Amino acid sequence: KQEVTQIPAALSVPEGENLVLNCSFTDSAIYNLQWFRQDPGKGLTSLLLIQSSQREQTSGRLNASLDKSSGRSTLYIAASQPGDSATYLCAFQGAQKLVFGQGTRLTINP
Amino acid sequence: GAGVSQTPSNKVTEKGKYVELRCDPISGHTALYWYRQSLGQGPEFLIYFQGTGAADDSGLPNDRFFAVRPEGSVSTLKIQRTERGDSAVYLCASSPTGIDTQYFGPGTRLTVL
Repeated sequence: KQEVTQIPAALSVPEGENLVLNCSFTDSAIYNLQWFRQDPGKGLTSLLLIQSSQREQTSGRLNASLDKSSGRSTLYIAASQPGDSATYLCAFQGAQKLVFGQGTRLTINP
Repeated sequence: GAGVSQTPSNKVTEKGKYVELRCDPISGHTALYWYRQSLGQGPEFLIYFQGTGAADDSGLPNDRFFAVRPEGSVSTLKIQRTERGDSAVYLCASSPTGIDTQYFGPGTRLTVL
């Protein structure tokens, strides 16, 4: 059974810092790795999708990497802002369905 | 364009009652998914439709749960004889083909008293 683990479970940093969120998965037969943002009481917003043939994707201040051999993905956030405060979820896609980690709750302090 | 919409946004029901949750996917998306999210957890897969057919229903917890997508667009998740443990946020997502980005709706928060 595929398992997805996110570390840390919660993170609080001052505004302006660069930070890294970690995601690990147990099954190397990956199709896509997707990162989402979830604000309290809201649905999920897709941030980045990395296909298995890719090593990274970038969007603005966000950069996500994928290392299939080690079963890891990282989400790098540059120059963090208070508006980045949310829960960040990674999801493994081996077939069609997504398998999610439990998320990292991020707080950016002004 | 319009995103995925779900109705109702909140549903409170009593134990033993029947509920229906509706999902309107993005127009033209052939793949539709239902997930369930408990407090403090990541979403868990329930069922996946490709067109009108359920291609994977392995995540449905028991036979009280059923979902349909009769015309390949709108989907309804049906829960019979609700239990307090069914309380969660039910999320719907759609994607163009099934192997690309999934777009999520805002969810329906179900509370079973």
